Amino acid sequence: QKEVEQDPGPLSVPEGAIVSLNCTYSNSAFQYFMWYRQYSRKGPELLMYTYSSGNKEDGRFTAQVDKSSKYISLFIRDSQPSDSATYLCAPGSGGANNLFFGTGTRLTVIP
Amino acid sequence: DTAVSQTPKYLVTQMGNDKSIKCEQNLGHDTMYWYKQDSKKFLKIMFSYNNKELIINETVPNRFSPKSPDKAHLNLHINSLELGDSAVYFCASSQGVGNYGYTFGSGTRLTVV
Repeated sequence: QKEVEQDPGPLSVPEGAIVSLNCTYSNSAFQYFMWYRQYSRKGPELLMYTYSSGNKEDGRFTAQVDKSSKYISLFIRDSQPSDSATYLCAPGSGGANNLFFGTGTRLTVIP
Repeated sequence: DTAVSQTPKYLVTQMGNDKSIKCEQNLGHDTMYWYKQDSKKFLKIMFSYNNKELIINETVPNRFSPKSPDKAHLNLHINSLELGDSAVYFCASSQGVGNYGYTFGSGTRLTVV
């Protein structure tokens, strides 16, 4: 079983839609839940993160973690064409342990 | 000012050759990483260095040898290149061990023919 499972998409939505991106994970030791965004032909960039369970909001983006079901979500409100990218979830257990990246969900927001 | 820079951006080479990829960060970070992204976009850790010391060494063929001459530089040398080594290699850095706010370079696209 992979450490992190993520639906690769692709996902196409009209501008202004609410987008839900999701991951599941298997390791109960994960405490940090990162979301990275990767534009085509670029390196991933950190979008936001949460620690342990709960929600975190940053502008149009909300990250949510449910540790009981090992489920990670990223919501994008009022999606924009500039949000078109691949979104990667990446949980980690802290310390010297590395992040585990999902395969990413490719999102296209159509004007 | 580029925070994490990798050279070269593109590398096309024949099977059996030896090649190197260089990475430099000007963020003052202590920890640097090499990741491999395959054709399915899966990002997998290869190596991690903290202050020039190797701390993560995943199951990678020993044809891959990283070197960190100082904490701002991390290079990757690959011997006897194989077709399966074709991928995008990303260098990243973070403030320290366990700090997951990585800054990635723009990648080196390696094609082995």
